[in-house]
Amino acid sequence: AQSVTQLDSHVSVSEGTPVLLRCNYSSSYSPSLFWYVQHPNKGLQLLLKYTSAATLVKGINGFEAEFKKSETSFHLTKPSAHMSDAAEYFCVVSETDSSYKLIFGSGTRLLVRP
Amino acid sequence: NAGVTQTPKFRVLKTGQSMTLLCAQDMNHEYMYWYRQDPGMGLRLIHYSVGEGTTAKGEVPDGYNVSRLKKQNFLLGLESAAPSQTSVYFCASSYSGTANQPQHFGDGTRLSIL
Repeated sequence: AQSVTQLDSHVSVSEGTPVLLRCNYSSSYSPSLFWYVQHPNKGLQLLLKYTSAATLVKGINGFEAEFKKSETSFHLTKPSAHMSDAAEYFCVVSETDSSYKLIFGSGTRLLVRP
Repeated sequence: NAGVTQTPKFRVLKTGQSMTLLCAQDMNHEYMYWYRQDPGMGLRLIHYSVGEGTTAKGEVPDGYNVSRLKKQNFLLGLESAAPSQTSVYFCASSYSGTANQPQHFGDGTRLSIL
């Protein structure tokens, strides 16, 4: 069975410092992986996706993630945090042949200190 | 660009009342989905539709019904609301069911059942 584990429920960084949000997955198939961001009282917005092309995926707003099959990880990073990055982030996995079967992680809330 | 629009945005119901949540998308997407989001958890799929006139059960379908009479609309109904259905409900749509097609989300409906 597929599963997604976001290793930190909360991450706090200072503005201008790097961001690392950790995600491990379990899948019997070659997975597609996504990161979504949710700002307060808003829906989820796609940050980036991995679908078996390049293992380093670049997304919007300076975020990127690296797919590491050997470690079953898909960590999200950003070199320099901005106050506007404060939000909740979800790591999501889907089977290769059915994107409607999305498995969501429990989310990581990113706090950015001035 | 409206994308995915959910109405209403907020609602308070009494136990036993019924209501319908409306989701509309203007992207000509085939697939549509209803999720619920509860504190500390990711999104869980309630029902989904792979095209006009079709619906299917997701992970947590009990207590809900859906209809997709028009391609652009996906309705979620609660026939007899229960306090356990207090949640934030998200609608999403995607162009197809393949894994490389991300889902696009509405801003959510916050529903409280007293």
